[in-house]
Formats: sequence, C-alpha cells, structure tokens
Amino acid sequence: AQSVTQLDSQVPVFEEAPVELRCNYSSSVSVYLFWYVQYPNQGLQLLLKYLSGSTLVKGINGFEAEFNKSQTSFHLRKPSVHISDTAEYFCAVSDPISSGSARQLTFGSGTQLTVLP
Amino acid sequence: AAGVIQSPRHLIKEKRETATLKCYPIPRHDTVYWYQQGPGQDPQFLISFYEKMQSDKGSIPDRFSAQQFSDYHSELNMSSLELGDSALYFCASSSSSQWNTIYFGEGSWLTVV
Repeated sequence: AQSVTQLDSQVPVFEEAPVELRCNYSSSVSVYLFWYVQYPNQGLQLLLKYLSGSTLVKGINGFEAEFNKSQTSFHLRKPSVHISDTAEYFCAVSDPISSGSARQLTFGSGTQLTVLP
Repeated sequence: AAGVIQSPRHLIKEKRETATLKCYPIPRHDTVYWYQQGPGQDPQFLISFYEKMQSDKGSIPDRFSAQQFSDYHSELNMSSLELGDSALYFCASSSSSQWNTIYFGEGSWLTVV
C-alpha cells in the first residue's frame, strides 16, 4: 500500500519569496510522483510529474520538484511566488505495478499556499 | 484544447434520493477515473474504467455504481443519498498510451440536504 504525507497543511508566504511545499511518500515498490494544484472552485491541474530519470523535475508556472529516493521525498519549490499562486497543492503517488489497466492516484491531504502581498 | 467535461456542475438532492453524474473524457482517451473530495479532504479514488470495462475499484460505496459507455463517456450513479455524500466529484481521463498524465475535470458539486 502507498501513502502520501504532506507535512504542512497551511503555508503562508510573502509575494516574491521562495517557497517549499513538503511531500513524503511510503511505498514498498517504486513509484510515480505528481504534484497537482487546485484553485478555488476548480479542478485539479497537473503541475509536474516524476516517472524516472533526472530527479529534478520542472513543471508549469515556474515550479520544480526534486525526487529524493533515500528520503522518500518529493518536495515542491518555487524561487519567487506570486499572488496568483495562492491555491491548494496536492502531492500524489501512483504505483506503476498496480493491477488493472488504470492506475489510480493516492493523494496527500493537501497544502494550502497563501501568498501575501 | 478539449478538456474533461463534467455535468452537472452543481446538484442539490435530498436524502434518500438518486443522483447521476456524467463525464465526457478528452477525445481519444480510453480510461476514466472517478474521485470524491469531501469538504477539506483530499480526493479519494472511487473507481476507474478502461475500454468500457471496470479496471480498478477504490472506496466506492455499494450504493454507488458507474459505467463507461461505447462513446467512452462515463456515468456515476448514486442512490439512497446520505448527507455524507455531499462532496466534489471529479472525473479524470487518460490515454492508455500515456496513462501517467491524468487530466481532471472541474468537478461536480453534490449537496445532499
């Protein structure tokens, strides 16, 4: 079984400051990792994903994440945030060896990023 | 580009009633997923379909059922609704050739009163 832990439920940060949203996972097998963003009253939008290869993954809107296998982490970072980045961010994991043709995502509990002026 | 379309966007039902949510995946996507997100909760996987066959089942109550039709759209049927069923229901789709990129719809808000 897989699980995802997002250590911070709320992260307030001032505009133009850097931010890191933490995500740790547990799985007995190799995993695929994802970050999704959810703006108020909207659906989930894929920010970035790690499948294999380079551990540093760049996504949309200037976000990047680093996969650290030894620490089982996949923290999301942005060097300078904007007011428009205010949203809920979800880390998710998928087991590439799960049964069936569709591989569902297991989400973390989410981190509310609030960018302050 | 076309996205995942869900309808209705908002639905209010009374306890013990039945509700049906519809999902139209991105064209040429053959896999559909349903997720339930309660207030302040993370999305929970309910069920998925690949090529019109159920492929995975998560925490879907027995009162719920779903299917994928020949045109790949999917419907989630919820009966004997309970107050606790009030949630945002997401549909998502992907292509089996690129399953690792899953696109979500904007969700259907179900309120049970």
